[in-house]
Amino acid sequence: GAVVSQHPSRVICKSGTSVKIECRSLDFQATTMFWYRQFPKQSLMLMATSNEGSKATYEQGVEKDKFLINHASLTLSTLTVTSAHPEDSSFYICSATPYSGANVLTFGAGSRLTVL
Amino acid sequence: SQKIEQNSEALNIQEGKTATLTCNYTNYSPAYLQWYRQDPGRGPVFLLLIRENEKEKRKERLKVTFDTTLKQSLFHITASQPADSATYLCALDRLYNQGGKLIFGQGTELSVKP
Repeated sequence: GAVVSQHPSRVICKSGTSVKIECRSLDFQATTMFWYRQFPKQSLMLMATSNEGSKATYEQGVEKDKFLINHASLTLSTLTVTSAHPEDSSFYICSATPYSGANVLTFGAGSRLTVL
Repeated sequence: SQKIEQNSEALNIQEGKTATLTCNYTNYSPAYLQWYRQDPGRGPVFLLLIRENEKEKRKERLKVTFDTTLKQSLFHITASQPADSATYLCALDRLYNQGGKLIFGQGTELSVKP
């Protein structure tokens, strides 16, 4: 089955630093990937849609300069949290739709970001 | 605005019983509805998809119903096992044909006791 690999699974950083999270589709090509964020006991919130070879589209209220997305190849999308602050601490999960014609998401394992 | 509600209270049941989880939505008529399972600290895993013209869908011990009049989906796990303990999320497509742009409910935590 389709697999989405996400790295790192956990990261702790100091306030003001930047953190990069990678999302790879291992056995399929993903022209589009989706980045979600989840706070404890809350639902997943879509942050942005990553498009291979073009700019990402961001959801309302998500700062594009804060959350930089790069989708340089058909199998890799990266999310960089710039100048991270404690309120950015969250669970970030990427996903893709490996099966054409069906809007079913395959998720990565998620990345737990803690900003001190 | 579109809204999805799942029972935020945890559901505790005995092994072997049927677990029933509810997903209600408002201000929307989705083309399909999906259910995912999420284990602690992990990404969600897709379970079932049911379309607006389907009343019921089954997969092994799982059954999903979709009532577009009530704007409700029920998710059943029969002969539940402790391994079924997890959080279950329902999701709707936000707008027709915007693949991947799903709205998720907050999830219901299921605990199956042996």
